Amino acid sequence: SQQGEEDPQALSIQEGENATMNCSYKTSINNLQWYRQNSGRGLVHLILIRSNEREKHSGRLRVTLDTSKKSSSLLITASRAADTASYFCAYDRGSTLGRLYFGRGTQLTVWP
Amino acid sequence: GAGVSQTPSNKVTEKGKYVELRCDPISGHTALYWYRQSLGQGPEFLIYFQGTGAADDSGLPNDRFFAVRPEGSVSTLKIQRTERGDSAVYLCASSVLAGAYEQYFGPGTRLTVT
Repeated sequence: SQQGEEDPQALSIQEGENATMNCSYKTSINNLQWYRQNSGRGLVHLILIRSNEREKHSGRLRVTLDTSKKSSSLLITASRAADTASYFCAYDRGSTLGRLYFGRGTQLTVWP
Repeated sequence: GAGVSQTPSNKVTEKGKYVELRCDPISGHTALYWYRQSLGQGPEFLIYFQGTGAADDSGLPNDRFFAVRPEGSVSTLKIQRTERGDSAVYLCASSVLAGAYEQYFGPGTRLTVT
């Protein structure tokens, strides 16, 4: 069963705009990871943020984590058509080391 | 370096048949994971190995599913008496160690049971 929830389920924007996707979860976590997936195949790892971190950056990506609200956000700045994909958050619960719990993902479409 | 590889990329089989899916992790990664993803859903955990042993197999849906990693590297997911509901993309991932480390995924095997 899906454990995390991404919001929105779908997002459609123009090139150059920023895209923000949110993720909520229900338990304590060790870390949270964001992935991108094209065409329903392999997932590409984007960023891992640990439970004691609040913000991480990687290129045009910015991830925040608020453990008090049990939520995370992924911001893609200056989006490109090539950013079109599904984005998933996945977290590692403290009680079950190793396995990741995924949400249903956000489908991002960036129009040229 | 080489990423996680999975073979075959596609597998079509008839209901009731036996299938094996293979995963070759990133060299040096001791943890290996199997997930299953149905259309429109996120991946769901099946099993993970730390070294040769299955550290958590609680995600395997029933006893028709079994996985091995005899030498602590390549892993095989085995499905007996396949059912149409087993149709999905089977994803493998590996990480340096289990826990707070990035999991890197392979391209997946698309299994279709007719």
